Amino acid sequence: QKEVEQDPGPLSVPEGAIVSLNCTYSNSAFQYFMWYRQYSRKGPELLMYTYSSGNKEDGRFTAQVDKSSKYISLFIRDSQPSDSATYLCATNRDDKIIFGKGTRLHILP
Amino acid sequence: DAGVTQSPTHLIKTRGQQVTLRCSPISGHKSVSWYQQVLGQGPQFIFQYYEKEERGRGNFPDRFSARQFPNYSSELNVNALLLGDSALYLCASSVRMSNYGYTFGSGTRLTVV
Repeated sequence: QKEVEQDPGPLSVPEGAIVSLNCTYSNSAFQYFMWYRQYSRKGPELLMYTYSSGNKEDGRFTAQVDKSSKYISLFIRDSQPSDSATYLCATNRDDKIIFGKGTRLHILP
Repeated sequence: DAGVTQSPTHLIKTRGQQVTLRCSPISGHKSVSWYQQVLGQGPQFIFQYYEKEERGRGNFPDRFSARQFPNYSSELNVNALLLGDSALYLCASSVRMSNYGYTFGSGTRLTVV
């Protein structure tokens, strides 16, 4: 079983819609959870991180962690064409980042 | 302030050859990590260096090696290249070893033919 599982998509939604991206993880000992955004031909860029369970909001983005079900979510409100990218969920173990496969997101104008 | 700089941007090598990839971290960052990202997959950890010492190694063969210099820049070397080594190689830096605070460069796209 992979440590972080993520549906690769692609996911296409119309501009202005709410986007929901999800991951599951295997190890209940994981504490930090991150979402990275990666544009084509670029490196991943840290969007948000959360520690343990709960919600964290930053502008149009909300990250959610449910440790009881080992489920990580990222919500994007009022989605824009510029949000089109690959979104990678991640956690860390021994100071190294463990990534999911990434979900390709297309926001249709 | 410059971000993480990687060179070259792209390169093409033949099977069996050796390659050296270079990374300059953000000024003041003492930790450098290397990741391999195969097309359609998330990045996979290769190495971490902090204060010029290897602090972590991922599940990669001994053909992969790295080092960190006194100015905190780093090189990743891959010997005896295989077709499967074709990937985007990413360097990430942080002030110290961290749970999440890494900044990634844009990567080096390596194609092995």
